[in-house]
This record gives sequence, structure tokens and C-alpha cells, in this order.
Amino acid sequence: AQSVAQPEDQVNVAEGNPLTVKCTYSVSGNPYLFWYVQYPNRGLQFLLKYITGDNLVKGSYGFEAEFNKSQTSFHLKKPSALVSDSALYFCAASTSSYTSGTYKYIFGTGTRLKVLA
Amino acid sequence: ETGVTQSPTHLIKTRGQQVTLRCSSQSGHNTVSWYQQALGQGPQFIFQYYREEENGRGNFPPRFSGLQFPNYSSELNVNALELDDSALYLCASTIEGVWETQYFGPGTRLLVL
Repeated sequence: AQSVAQPEDQVNVAEGNPLTVKCTYSVSGNPYLFWYVQYPNRGLQFLLKYITGDNLVKGSYGFEAEFNKSQTSFHLKKPSALVSDSALYFCAASTSSYTSGTYKYIFGTGTRLKVLA
Repeated sequence: ETGVTQSPTHLIKTRGQQVTLRCSSQSGHNTVSWYQQALGQGPQFIFQYYREEENGRGNFPPRFSGLQFPNYSSELNVNALELDDSALYLCASTIEGVWETQYFGPGTRLLVL
């Protein structure tokens, strides 16, 4: 079965320190990869995506992600964490059917990031 | 803002009842997908609609059904509600030509008692 794993339920980091939120995937082919953030009582907000090309992808709010094909990983990073970055982060892989045109996201279970002042 | 809205924000139903959730997106958002997010879990794909026809479905029973309308709105209908249907329901749309990126609405939280 295809899946996305986020091995850490929670990541704690001090404000100003670099942060990493881990994601690995087991999806056939060459999936598109995404990171979304979810604040309390809000929907998912798009941060960044990897389709092809440079393995380091830059996104919103200073976030970036590093794609590693051999390790099937797509870790989210930020050089200097802010308290306002505290939220729930989801990694997702998109599988597509070129016959039906369906793009289906497979999500990880989420990682709660807590940035401490 | 994603331009995707959902209503209602919260809903309480009893087991066996039927519910309709609504989603509205902007002009040019031709594809809509629905996801179920149970507490503490990642969203699970229910189905996707394109040009008013279902064109993909996840592992959900037929009592989960949907509609997409020409005015970029859509509905998720769930019949014979079960306790396990309690979840946050998210709709997401894509912009014509940028099919791979989905933009999510704020969700409807459904509680089944």
C-alpha cells in the first residue's frame, strides 16, 4: 500500500534555532510531494511542493524542503524558527491517473511543531 | 486566503441521519476533492469531481456521495451516519492548468452522536 510517514508526532525547538520536520514516502512512480500547515480550527494551508528539478524547494514563510530520492524523503526545514510557526504540519504525496485525471493526495499523520520562546 | 469556503463550520447529527456539506470555490477552480480528517489523523481522500463528474474515489462506501455544480460549488452527502463519521471534512480545489496543487477550505467539523 502506498503511504506517507511522519515519524515524529511532535517536534520542539527553541525560537531562533533551525527546525526540521521529517517525512518519508512509499509511493510508486515519481510522486509530487507537498507540505501543508494547519492552524487550530483552520483548513490546510499550502507551503511548498516538489515536482521535479532542484532538490531544495523554497516555499512560503521562509520554509524550504529537501527532496532525497534515494532515501524517499522530503524533510521540511527552516533556518530560524518563530513562535508563530507553532502548528500542525502535514506531508503529502500526490498520485495521479493520467487516464482519469485524478490527483489524489496521500497524507502523513501530521507532526505538531512547538516553537518555544 | 485560498478562495475556498465551506459551510457549515460545525454540525451535530445523530446516528442514522443524513448530512449535506457544502463547498464553494472561485472561477477557474475546476476540480474539487473531498477529504475526511479524523481526530489525530491525516486527511483521507474520499473522492474527486471534475466538470461535474466523479473521476476518482478513495476507500469510502457508497453512502458517501457528492455533486459538483457549474457555479464552482459542490456538496458532500453522507447517508446513514455512523459514529465513526465524526471528523473534519475538507474540500480542496485546483486551478485550471495547475492540477497538482490543491487549495483547501477551512473544513466542516461533523459530530455524530
